[in-house]
Amino acid sequence: KNEVEQSPQNLTAQEGEFITINCSYSVGISALHWLQQHPGGGIVSLFMLSSGKKKHGRLIATINIQEKHSSLHITASHPRDSAVYICAAPTGNQFYFGTGTSLTVIP
Amino acid sequence: DVKVTQSSRYLVKRTGEKVFLECVQDMDHENMFWYRQDPGLGLRLIYFSYDVKMKEKGDIPEGYSVSREKKERFSLILESASTNQTSMYLCASSDSGRGSYNEQFFGPGTRLTVL
Repeated sequence: KNEVEQSPQNLTAQEGEFITINCSYSVGISALHWLQQHPGGGIVSLFMLSSGKKKHGRLIATINIQEKHSSLHITASHPRDSAVYICAAPTGNQFYFGTGTSLTVIP
Repeated sequence: DVKVTQSSRYLVKRTGEKVFLECVQDMDHENMFWYRQDPGLGLRLIYFSYDVKMKEKGDIPEGYSVSREKKERFSLILESASTNQTSMYLCASSDSGRGSYNEQFFGPGTRLTVL
C-alpha cells in the first residue's frame, strides 16, 4: 500500500504541450510538496501548498485537501522541463513520497 | 541560498566495509534527513534528526546508524556494507519545528556501489 500515488509514471510530450501530473494521497496532511529531480540526482523543491493553487512561472500546482488530490501543470513545456517530478506528503514526523513521474519533453 | 553538501558524489566500497556518508548544511536548520532512492521505490526515509544528538528512525533504519554531534552536520554510517545497500543516498535539511512540514532542501546525492 502506497500512501502517495502518482500518475503517470512516465510521460513524453512535444515541446509546447500542456502537461499534467497527478498525485493522490491517503494520509492526513496539512501541506503537500512538489519536487523536481534532474538527471544527476539533485532535488529541488518546487511548491509547498496547503490549499488552492500556486503558480511559479510556467508551473502551476493545485490541491484539493478534501479529495486528497493534487496536480502539477506545466504550460508551454520545454525540453529543459525534462526531469522526474515527485510529490511528497508530510504527516507527523514522516514524509511519504510518490515514486515520481519521469517527464521527457521532445523538441 | 541554502546549501546542503554531501561528502562524495560517487563511492565504491566492498562488502563488509564501514562506510561514512557526511552531510553539511549552512542554513542553521534544526531538521536533517537521510533518504535512499531506488528505482521504482522512490525516496525512503532512513533516519532523521531534529536537534543535535537527537535522532529518530525512519522507514528503513536497519543496517544504518547516524550521528549528529554538530547542528550543521549529519552523518550516515553503514556499519557493514552489503550489496543491497547499493543506492543513491540523499541528505536534506529543513527549518525549525519537529516534523517535516517545512520545505526540505536536498543535497546533490551520493551514489554508493557496494561490491
